[in-house]
Amino acid sequence: AQTVTQSQPEMSVQEAETVTLSCTYDTSESDYYLFWYKQPPSRQMILVIRQEAYKQQNATENRFSVNFQKAAKSFSLKISDSQLGDAAMYFCAYRRYTSGSRLTFGEGTQLTVNP
Amino acid sequence: ETGVTQSPTHLIKTRGQQVTLRCSSQSGHNTVSWYQQALGQGPQFIFQYYREEENGRGNFPPRFSGLQFPNYSSELNVNALELDDSALYLCASSPGRGSSYNEQFFGPGTRLTVL
Repeated sequence: AQTVTQSQPEMSVQEAETVTLSCTYDTSESDYYLFWYKQPPSRQMILVIRQEAYKQQNATENRFSVNFQKAAKSFSLKISDSQLGDAAMYFCAYRRYTSGSRLTFGEGTQLTVNP
Repeated sequence: ETGVTQSPTHLIKTRGQQVTLRCSSQSGHNTVSWYQQALGQGPQFIFQYYREEENGRGNFPPRFSGLQFPNYSSELNVNALELDDSALYLCASSPGRGSSYNEQFFGPGTRLTVL
């Protein structure tokens, strides 16, 4: 079974600074997807960024980028120029490559952005 | 385009009762997944429906059941409620199966409290 581990229950960052959230996972599959989701107090889960395991290039979406280390099974999220609106719970998630399969989430990291 | 909607927003039940939660999928989406998110934890996959048939199930007892209707909306039913069923229940829809990536779009969730 696949597992996802987020070892940082809480993180904080100053506005305009950079923060990195960590995630490790365990799988025997070679093809899969990895995601970072953001869940603000409104509870709506929002996709931040995704990475296909077969792609060596790290995904980037504006201020959000990942460091994907397939051999180490590590998938960290870097948020640059942090904004107050980035404050939320962040979840790392795994999905097998086969379509329609479930998302396996980590326990989450609560990010606080200080003005 | 209407996003994923869930009803009700909140509800309170007592132990032993039965509850039905509802989800309307995003237009054009024929796959619906349900997740349980206990307080302070990541979402856990309950089951998924594709074109009105169950298409995968997580580690949840049979008293958790579901339906998907011809318009692809879905219901989650929980019988014999237990205190541990108190959680946020998230519904996610996606465009359907296939070999390509299908992003899951989440609803705002239903907060269930069991007393």
